[in-house]
Amino acid sequence: DSGVTQTPKHLITATGQRVTLRCSPRSGDLSVYWYQQSLDQGLQFLIQYYNGEERAKGNILERFSAQQFPDLHSELNLSSLELGDSALYFCASSVAAGGIYEQYFGPGTRLTVT
Amino acid sequence: GDSVTQMEGPVTLSEEAFLTINCTYTATGYPSLFWYVQYPGEGLQLLLKATKADDKGSNKGFEATYRKETTSFHLEKGSVQVSDSAVYFCALSEGISSGSARQLTFGSGTQLTVLP
Repeated sequence: DSGVTQTPKHLITATGQRVTLRCSPRSGDLSVYWYQQSLDQGLQFLIQYYNGEERAKGNILERFSAQQFPDLHSELNLSSLELGDSALYFCASSVAAGGIYEQYFGPGTRLTVT
Repeated sequence: GDSVTQMEGPVTLSEEAFLTINCTYTATGYPSLFWYVQYPGEGLQLLLKATKADDKGSNKGFEATYRKETTSFHLEKGSVQVSDSAVYFCALSEGISSGSARQLTFGSGTQLTVLP
């Protein structure tokens, strides 16, 4: 158990819908990262927050957005969903934003868009 | 941009065989290098890391050495077990001096199956 929790574990929804994925980082970790794992794209970085502020953006679509709240939990919002958005979405946390700090991964949310 | 190229799988070995999974990288700065492991139905777990050239990361019998001259970070284990069956990801993160974001850039993953 990494100490990072993600809800829900599974999500099935239809094209055009909007969903919210939730992540609670390990106690004491200030940095939260979101990654997408799909068969065709592999593991891709989406976005990073550090202590409530956006720190870095990766290959995140405009239909996707995220935020980190004062209690440090984070939410990833996916809207106008398409079949290609079906993937495993991981959240990771680390104590700081530096590259040498280990990122601890949650168990993931499996999103299926039908 | 940064990239990681990983040996394609799947790899199937017998128990107690020697394992090598190749990983090479391209980075503009001085990255930290990682191996993560993903067991079925679980998230990624850090297996080992190295933060500068010639560092050797090791954990649970796995080893990898940061080779700047060949831009490589190959994963090795002398004697694999059935319980090592998983997907292994090589990854990099730009180092402290680069000033860039610290996200992980992953390779494509290598599926390892160890048969009894």
